[in-house]
Amino acid sequence: DGGITQSPKYLFRKEGQNVTLSCEQNLNHDAMYWYRQDPGQGLRLIYYSQIVNDFQKGDIAEGYSVSREKKESFPLTVTSAQKNPTAFYLCASSSRGLSGGYEQFFGPGTRLTVL
Amino acid sequence: GDSVTQMEGPVTLSEEAFLTINCTYTATGYPSLFWYVQYPGEGLQLLLKATKADDKGSNKGFEATYRKETTSFHLEKGSVQVSDSAVYFCALSPRPGGGADGLTFGKGTHLIIQP
Repeated sequence: DGGITQSPKYLFRKEGQNVTLSCEQNLNHDAMYWYRQDPGQGLRLIYYSQIVNDFQKGDIAEGYSVSREKKESFPLTVTSAQKNPTAFYLCASSSRGLSGGYEQFFGPGTRLTVL
Repeated sequence: GDSVTQMEGPVTLSEEAFLTINCTYTATGYPSLFWYVQYPGEGLQLLLKATKADDKGSNKGFEATYRKETTSFHLEKGSVQVSDSAVYFCALSPRPGGGADGLTFGKGTHLIIQP
């Protein structure tokens, strides 16, 4: 089945540690995204990548880093510089459809708790 | 910058009631508009979309019409079911048809349907 995989579903880390969240897609999509979701805040864009080996900062990139070495993978590292890392992290991907427009598909999310 | 404003919840309705969730946006140019739905503990699923003014998106009994004159994209359903209980997000893409940039989301509206 085609889709987006995020692992693990729940992640616990001690304060001051870096942690990497995994995102893999087998939809052959060119673009991938990371969003952060906090209660009552909606989703906010962290980073996105439109093509392999290229990525752009979103609205809240500080304290995060990404890489895009393969088309199907877009890992997100939450660094110790991120002041409030506890949140629900969602990965998405998209590609140009037959109508010419893009549609984003989302993974199941990873809930990160920093203790 | 671009922004999306949704009515705040929770919205509580009885089964078979009529649903409206208001969404207004601020954007330059001709954005594309989306409604996503999120069930507890899961990622987001695209519910419907509209890529130009006066377009109507529809899916699973839900409808929304892109009104450029009022910068609105209100979600409606004629008769809700308990299974419609979820969080609903309105979102926009700044590019006509939706581009490979990230989406701007509203804060979400929690819908609760009582039997």
